[in-house]
Amino acid sequence: AQSVTQPDIHITVSEGASLELRCNYSYGATPYLFWYVQSPGQGLQLLLKYFSGDTLVQGIKGFEAEFKRSQSSFNLRKPSVHWSDAAEYFCAVGASSTLTFGKGTMLLVSP
Amino acid sequence: DAGVTQSPTHLIKTRGQQVTLRCSPKSGHDTVSWYQQALGQGPQFIFQYYEEEERQRGNFPDRFSGHQFPNYSSELNVNALLLGDSALYLCASRLGRDAPKNIQYFGAGTRLSVL
Repeated sequence: AQSVTQPDIHITVSEGASLELRCNYSYGATPYLFWYVQSPGQGLQLLLKYFSGDTLVQGIKGFEAEFKRSQSSFNLRKPSVHWSDAAEYFCAVGASSTLTFGKGTMLLVSP
Repeated sequence: DAGVTQSPTHLIKTRGQQVTLRCSPKSGHDTVSWYQQALGQGPQFIFQYYEEEERQRGNFPDRFSGHQFPNYSSELNVNALLLGDSALYLCASRLGRDAPKNIQYFGAGTRLSVL
């Protein structure tokens, strides 16, 4: 069975500082991996996805993620965080037509 | 182009009651999935509908049922509500049932509170 682990429940980052959110997955084959963001009262918005090929993928809002098969990881990064990035971030692995999500990491941005 | 729309946005029910949530998929999409997001948790897959039939189901009891209409819209029904059913219910749509590379788009969800 597939699973996703996001080890950090909360992370606080100063505005302008860099960000890395961790994601580890368990999946038997080549995974389809996703990062979604959820702002309060909103649904999930896709930030980026990995299917195959280049292991460094670029997404919207200046986010990127790197797929590392040897570590079963798909960490999300951003070089400079803005206050508007404060939200909850979910990593997900896709198999067939469904998604399995991690429990999420809440990002707090301090001035 | 409207995205995925869900109604109502909020709902309050009491234990034992039944509830129906509604979802209209993004234009052009034919596959609808439902997810339950409990407080402090990630979304959990409930089931998926394609061609008006339930195609896949997650680990949810039979109290959770659904329907898909010819226009691809969908309903989620929950019978005999329990306190633990309180959650945000998310609808997602995509084009094609077995097309994992086709992105799922999510609605804003229905917040269900069971008292």
